Amino acid sequence: AQKITQTQPGMFVQEKEAVTLDCTYDTSDQSYGLFWYKQPSSGEMIFLIYQGSYDEQNATEGRYSLNFQKARKSANLVISASQLGDSAMYFCAMREGWGAQKLVFGQGTRLTINP
Amino acid sequence: GAGVSQSPSNKVTEKGKDVELRCDPISGHTALYWYRQSLGQGLEFLIYFQGNSAPDKSGLPSDRFSAERTGGSVSTLTIQRTQQEDSAVYLCASSLGQGRGNQPQHFGDGTRLSIL
Repeated sequence: AQKITQTQPGMFVQEKEAVTLDCTYDTSDQSYGLFWYKQPSSGEMIFLIYQGSYDEQNATEGRYSLNFQKARKSANLVISASQLGDSAMYFCAMREGWGAQKLVFGQGTRLTINP
Repeated sequence: GAGVSQSPSNKVTEKGKDVELRCDPISGHTALYWYRQSLGQGLEFLIYFQGNSAPDKSGLPSDRFSAERTGGSVSTLTIQRTQQEDSAVYLCASSLGQGRGNQPQHFGDGTRLSIL
């Protein structure tokens, strides 16, 4: 079974609109962490935002926020006021257990921002 | 400060040859990870080093793959007798390590490996 599922292979959004990228996860651990990374066409992986399983508030970092619904096991990334530079692949990833552990990645969503 | 450094950035080699990929993590990061990204795919975990502990090798796809980390810093991923299916981008990441689960992994720019 997939640990991380990203159901949107591609999304097209108009500049300045908000966009939600979906991520659902599967784990039996009580302690886990969820990460979102951005990968532009240049290839580097850029960390965007983190949500811990015990965090009571949804994480926010600038224009990025995470809609964390623990009971549904979903951790959707919301980008407000999208910009042309947001066009990239977006990966959701999970760390199971506490401490530095490997990440399990989803297949990614390719986001294209249209002017 | 300097980020994660990987070399070479590109490597083209013939099937059957051995290759070595190098990763220099961020200074002070005790955890180091290797991942593989095939064309258009997500990242696949290969191996993880944490301080002086035995590495987690659970993601290595075959015994042709090995990695070491010397002095708790630089790591080398070695692929012996390369096959065409080994063609991928190999990404290295580092993080602050044990007990810092909320700290992100910082990635290098990767080594693009092409097997002819």
